[in-house]
Amino acid sequence: QQQVKQSPQSLIVQKGGISIINCAYENTAFDYFPWYQQFPGKGPALLIAIRPDVSEKKEGRFTISFNKSAKQFSLHIMDSQPGDSATYFCAASINAVLRQGAQKLVFGQGTRLTINP
Amino acid sequence: DAGITQSPRYKITETGRQVTLMCHQTWSHSYMFWYRQDLGHGLRLIYYSAAADITDKGEVPDGYVVSRSKTENFPLTLESATRSQTSVYFCASSESSSGGRIAANTGELFFGEGSRLTVL
Repeated sequence: QQQVKQSPQSLIVQKGGISIINCAYENTAFDYFPWYQQFPGKGPALLIAIRPDVSEKKEGRFTISFNKSAKQFSLHIMDSQPGDSATYFCAASINAVLRQGAQKLVFGQGTRLTINP
Repeated sequence: DAGITQSPRYKITETGRQVTLMCHQTWSHSYMFWYRQDLGHGLRLIYYSAAADITDKGEVPDGYVVSRSKTENFPLTLESATRSQTSVYFCASSESSSGGRIAANTGELFFGEGSRLTVL
């Protein structure tokens, strides 16, 4: 119930195309859904996040689409660029699942995205 | 420059040896976390800390020990390394959403660059 399932494991997209990464969850208590971007040799960094009271959030070329009834959310990268090549992690959390007020982020398995020039 | 730093970045050790991975942050964030990253598993939480002297287990704590005597440091020790602990380890920090010694963290994690550990 605490899992977040991410697909695909790897994705190759041509420059200018749309990259789509999907995640599904079971626990309806999750209330925060971030996406992290990780470049080789670096730690993950927050890219964009959404809460379940909205169905979509857009920041530049990056959009999260959220389907509460289906318990799914996805990341869309429009006009994909070679600089977007990275590993992307979806995650979900519930406030105070951990003790002492800490939010526990449950991460998906990751998607290695390659944008071909 | 402020940030979160991990050391060593690369470490090769042998089965049974003790290894300590260091993590230092300059933001004075209350919360600190240790994750391991393995192919097919994403990031899994090992231990976390809400403040100095307060630590707690995550989902994969067996074989690891942590301490937090100062807010800025959160070392992770493998008491007797095993091959299954070969992984990339990430330290992360997060700030509190409101004041007070123990307050909910905001959710955004700031990660270090990782420590790649190989256990032979």
